[in-house]
Amino acid sequence: QKEVEQNSGPLSVPEGAIASLNCTYSDRGSQSFFWYRQYSGKSPELIMSIYSNGDKEDGRFTAQLNKASQYVSLLIRDSQPSDSATYLCAGWLSGGYNKLIFGAGTRLAVHP
Amino acid sequence: NAGVTQTPKFQVLKTGQSMTLQCAQDMNHNSMYWYRQDPGMGLRLIYYSASEGTTDKGEVPNGYNVSRLNKREFSLRLESAAPSQTSVYFCASTEGGVNTEAFFGQGTRLTVV
Repeated sequence: QKEVEQNSGPLSVPEGAIASLNCTYSDRGSQSFFWYRQYSGKSPELIMSIYSNGDKEDGRFTAQLNKASQYVSLLIRDSQPSDSATYLCAGWLSGGYNKLIFGAGTRLAVHP
Repeated sequence: NAGVTQTPKFQVLKTGQSMTLQCAQDMNHNSMYWYRQDPGMGLRLIYYSASEGTTDKGEVPNGYNVSRLNKREFSLRLESAAPSQTSVYFCASTEGGVNTEAFFGQGTRLTVV
């Protein structure tokens, strides 16, 4: 089992809709999680970080963390074609290993 | 602001050749990482260096070696390249510890023929 898992998609949503991206993790001690966006041929860029249970909102983006169920999600409201990219979920492993592990990424396509 | 700089951007190797990918960061970060990215596989950790003078294996270390030359620089070496090592390689750095975000270089696209 991979330590961070994501559905690879593609997830296709119409412009203006809410896109929901999900991620699960196996290390119960993991504390902090990140969502990165990666356009084709480019480097990943950070869009959200979340460290505690609950929701964290930043503009059109909301990250949710549920440590009891070991899942992280990212909601994108009012999706735009420019949101079309691969979204990578990442988490720090616990136990002092200092490893940042990524999921396989979910490809999002927002169509006009 | 340079951030994380990788060289080269593109490289074609023949099977069995060796090469070193270079990475340097100017953010005074403690930790540095090498990832590879293959279609549908996300980013897989090859090696990392939690601090200057230390290196550890990640998820897919076989066929690679690393050197943390100083706090700024972290290199990845392929001693005998194989077609399975065809990939995009990303270097990243963080301040170190949980709750710190990773900053990425622009990537190196390596093809082994």
